[in-house]
Amino acid sequence: DQQVKQNSPSLSVQEGRISILNCDYTNSMFDYFLWYKKYPAEGPTFLISISSIKDKNEDGRFTVFLNKSAKHLSLHIVPSQPGDSAVYFCAANAGGTSYGKLTFGQGTILTVHP
Amino acid sequence: KAGVTQTPRYLIKTRGQQVTLSCSPISGHRSVSWYQQTPGQGLQFLFEYFSETQRNKGNFPGRFSGRQFSNSRSEMNVSTLELGDSALYLCASSLALGTAIEKLFFGSGTQLSVL
Repeated sequence: DQQVKQNSPSLSVQEGRISILNCDYTNSMFDYFLWYKKYPAEGPTFLISISSIKDKNEDGRFTVFLNKSAKHLSLHIVPSQPGDSAVYFCAANAGGTSYGKLTFGQGTILTVHP
Repeated sequence: KAGVTQTPRYLIKTRGQQVTLSCSPISGHRSVSWYQQTPGQGLQFLFEYFSETQRNKGNFPGRFSGRQFSNSRSEMNVSTLELGDSALYLCASSLALGTAIEKLFFGSGTQLSVL
């Protein structure tokens, strides 16, 4: 039962353009959502998060949008840079006593071409 | 500030053996979580420890166990290894400030191969 889904295994964009990574979830109990970036041979690195009481959160070039009614979130990277090429994971936390228990999507491989 | 340290980086075992993986969290972090990453299943939560107590557990068989020491360092153990246990095992630590959302900091992982 895949509670967090990233339906696009890969995404290719040109440097300077916008990258949009999507994520859908099915569990209504999820209260917090996070995006992680992962390079080969390294652990995931936290990028940005959003609480279910918000619909948008920005941090520099990264913006996360949350649509609770559609159970959908997206990560926008503007402008995209070659160094952004990595695997991006969407993750969800049910709040309460979930603490460090995250449910991850399968990941999307982003390739940014110079 | 040193990051999360996992040892060893690579491990090769045979079916039926047992293995112990080690994780040293970031200094001051009190919670340690373990995740398994496989190509087919993605990143899956194993368990989380806080103050030497397991406070969350994922859907893995009892062959997978862990513990946390008083200095917050953690170990996980897998007994009676199966081929399907081949995976990247990731440890993550967090401050555990009592807020519901925890920003996890991951180590580079231990790549386990079971032959």
